[in-house]
Amino acid sequence: DAGVTQSPTHLIKTRGQQVTLRCSPISGHKSVSWYQQVLGQGPQFIFQYYEKEERGRGNFPDRFSARQFPNYSSELNVNALLLGDSALYLCASSRTAGQGYGYTFGSGTRLTVV
Amino acid sequence: AQRVTQPEKLLSVFKGAPVELKCNYSYSGSPELFWYVQYSRQRLQLLLRHISRESIKGFTADLNKGETSFHLKKPFAQEEDSAMYYCALRAAGNMLTFGGGTRLMVKP
Repeated sequence: DAGVTQSPTHLIKTRGQQVTLRCSPISGHKSVSWYQQVLGQGPQFIFQYYEKEERGRGNFPDRFSARQFPNYSSELNVNALLLGDSALYLCASSRTAGQGYGYTFGSGTRLTVV
Repeated sequence: AQRVTQPEKLLSVFKGAPVELKCNYSYSGSPELFWYVQYSRQRLQLLLRHISRESIKGFTADLNKGETSFHLKKPFAQEEDSAMYYCALRAAGNMLTFGGGTRLMVKP
């Protein structure tokens, strides 16, 4: 059984560019969440999607957007990249969006903005 | 707003010594608390959640609502326990709020 898969694993972008990160949840999991982990800090919540609807949004600017597809995979888009967007972006999946279920994390996408 | 604090960035112990990783939280409602672990070059993985009251790899954690704490404990540390440990809280909004993490180093 495949775990949560994220692509690409590493990415280097230039300031001002746009980036799309992808996530495939565990089979049977309908909820996907995105987190940003800056070096030396804990992960910070960006978005949660459940059944293709946004269920939560963290304190991130409108440059960050996401969507979930009918097969429950998800994309995170970041526009007008800043140096401060350099981080590990983690995707987590869960069976539902409710309490009582743990999240399974992917290995992440390491984004470097130069 | 919820907040999770892990006061120690680094905890270094000898093999066989007891370990306690501290986690304090602030949240006015009934939270769901988790411990996640990240071994070197591996993904973040769930270690414990308070609602299941289980022991994984010898680790236990008890939710103390009076002290708003969820400390992680193990009576005898092993070298393979060396990793980053994150305490996390899930409130009504379903998002996880993580602490800053504690690096546990178990020396031989």
